[in-house]
Amino acid sequence: QKEVEQDPGPLSVPEGAIVSLNCTYSNSAFQYFMWYRQYSRKGPELLMYTYSSGNKEDGRFTAQVDKSSKYISLFIRDSQPSDSATYLCAMSAKKLIFGTGTRLQVFP
Amino acid sequence: EPEVTQTPSHQVTQMGQEVILRCVPISNHLYFYWYRQILGQKVEFLVSFYNNEISEKSEIFDDQFSVERPDGSNFTLKIRSTKLEDSAMYFCASAKRGPEMSTEAFFGQGTRLTVV
Repeated sequence: QKEVEQDPGPLSVPEGAIVSLNCTYSNSAFQYFMWYRQYSRKGPELLMYTYSSGNKEDGRFTAQVDKSSKYISLFIRDSQPSDSATYLCAMSAKKLIFGTGTRLQVFP
Repeated sequence: EPEVTQTPSHQVTQMGQEVILRCVPISNHLYFYWYRQILGQKVEFLVSFYNNEISEKSEIFDDQFSVERPDGSNFTLKIRSTKLEDSAMYFCASAKRGPEMSTEAFFGQGTRLTVV
């Protein structure tokens, strides 16, 4: 079983839709959970991080962590074409372990 | 806004040659990392560096690779005797706090290494 699993997509949604991105993981030692956004041929850009279980909201973005299910989510409300990118989940024990990334396309 | 800078943005090298990828981390950060991303694949951890020594490395980071912080600002990744399969984007990252408390690691824009 992979340490972090993420559906690669692509996920295509109309502008204004609510987007749900998810990752599952196997290592119960992970304590910090991050979401990064990566545009083509650019470095990952940190969007949000959460410590342990719970929710965190930042503008149109909400991150959720359910440690009992080893499942994390990122919700994007009122999605915009500028949100089109690859979204990477990452988890931290002694190093960041990334998911494969989900490619999101928001069309006008 | 402070950022991690990497040079060069693109490096083409012949197989068997040595390359040095350079990074300037954010100035008050103490933890430094190299990651790589082969085209179409996920971002993979290579090595972490703290207090002038390697704190952790992956199985990818073998004797072909080395890291150095030659002065107070630069952090370098040296790849000796490059192979075709070393072709990838190499990302440098830095963080204020350590991996056990890791939250915000900031990534540079990457160096695209092409081995021909």
